[in-house]
Amino acid sequence: EAQVTQNPRYLITVTGKKLTVTCSQNMNHEYMSWYRQDPGLGLRQIYYSMNVEVTDKGDVPEGYKVSRKEKRNFPLILESPSPNQTSLYFCASSLMSKPGLEQFFGPGTRLTVL
Amino acid sequence: QQQVKQSPQSLIVQKGGISIINCAYENTAFDYFPWYQQFPGKGPALLIAIRPDVSEKKEGRFTISFNKSAKQFSLHIMDSQPGDSATYFCAATQKGGYNKLIFGAGTRLAVHP
Repeated sequence: EAQVTQNPRYLITVTGKKLTVTCSQNMNHEYMSWYRQDPGLGLRQIYYSMNVEVTDKGDVPEGYKVSRKEKRNFPLILESPSPNQTSLYFCASSLMSKPGLEQFFGPGTRLTVL
Repeated sequence: QQQVKQSPQSLIVQKGGISIINCAYENTAFDYFPWYQQFPGKGPALLIAIRPDVSEKKEGRFTISFNKSAKQFSLHIMDSQPGDSATYFCAATQKGGYNKLIFGAGTRLAVHP
């Protein structure tokens, strides 16, 4: 089954404790992206990657890091989480040949930073 | 500021009624306008999309109306069903924008039986 998977689905942590949210897709998509969803703000892009070893900032990159060492994986790293990073996070992927079309989203990771 | 403005924030419709969600944008470089549907506990999924060279697109009960001069587009759900209850996001992408989706704030739709 074609899908984007994220782990963990739920995470409660404390300020300053480094964490990683994993994202993996099995559709051989070049493009992957991380969004955060907050009430009244919709989804905002954090980082994106157009291919292996190619990453760039989205609209709200502060406090986050990413890496793209393999085509299928795109982990999101919070080196020192803060309460304002409490949010619902989504990973998405798509083919580069179809800009904007058919972005497939993972099931989401709900993060709470105390 | 929100580049894509969406209204209303929430909407209650009776079964069989028409649900209408509106979006407006300012950036004339936007060239693709998708709508995403999100059920509780799930990620958004593409519902329907339109390009600005078309004024209307229909897929089943879902229709996008697009007004290029007014920089507005809307989603109409005909014969709304309880199973349509979800959060709907309008979005836009920009030519050369590397697949980046710019989302509206979302509309929570509840269809009552």
